[in-house]
Amino acid sequence: QLLESGGNLVQPGGSLRLSCEVSGFTFSKYAMNWVRQAPGKGLEWVSVISGDGARRYYAESVKDRFTISRDNSKSTLYLQMNNLRVEDTAVYYCAKEMPARRAFDSWGQGTVVTVSS
Amino acid sequence: QSVLTQPPSMSGAPGHRVTISCTGTSTNIGAGFHVHWYQQLPGTAPKLLIYDNNNRPSGVPDRFSGSKSGTSASLAITGLQAEDEADYYCQSYDSRLNIYVFGSGTKVTVL
Repeated sequence: QLLESGGNLVQPGGSLRLSCEVSGFTFSKYAMNWVRQAPGKGLEWVSVISGDGARRYYAESVKDRFTISRDNSKSTLYLQMNNLRVEDTAVYYCAKEMPARRAFDSWGQGTVVTVSS
Repeated sequence: QSVLTQPPSMSGAPGHRVTISCTGTSTNIGAGFHVHWYQQLPGTAPKLLIYDNNNRPSGVPDRFSGSKSGTSASLAITGLQAEDEADYYCQSYDSRLNIYVFGSGTKVTVL
């Protein structure tokens, strides 16, 4: 089970932190991702973090503005979003990655982020 | 602009077959990276349908199958059912961009 929270309406330039609480598997063993979907649009990969948190990668569109992190003791994934833009408006999903396959085999239900003045 | 190209829409009558294409380049599908497919029913989160080009997770009906050749991949749905009406996305990895990439998505309509 993956349960996102933290989505909200925020003004351009504002900040937001998303959380994804995980249960049902050993969280620290798996890389975790954030994927987003703008209204009426397709899926866009945002960021990935390794199981131990040592490696993090970002889409160009969010680099230097978003930070992915995790707390394995709390089985929780985070996405700190700063300097938000209107084009960041989307449903944000957390997704568990299949080991060594770069495929996402479990998804949360999503949390809605709206950036608007 | 998605890195992987899919047809925007496809349709078929119940019981028929539809095949969705996913076209990439030499830096993603053509570089040997696996292709995965997801089904997104209206108003829900995506669900993994096919992984590693042609493998089904447990619980996915064998009406769904995948294949890959060169810089392209495809998802076939045979014996189309009303419940298959959804958006379908392919996904891979791009070695030039160093990111995971999704297809543009295909909306399947059951007539």
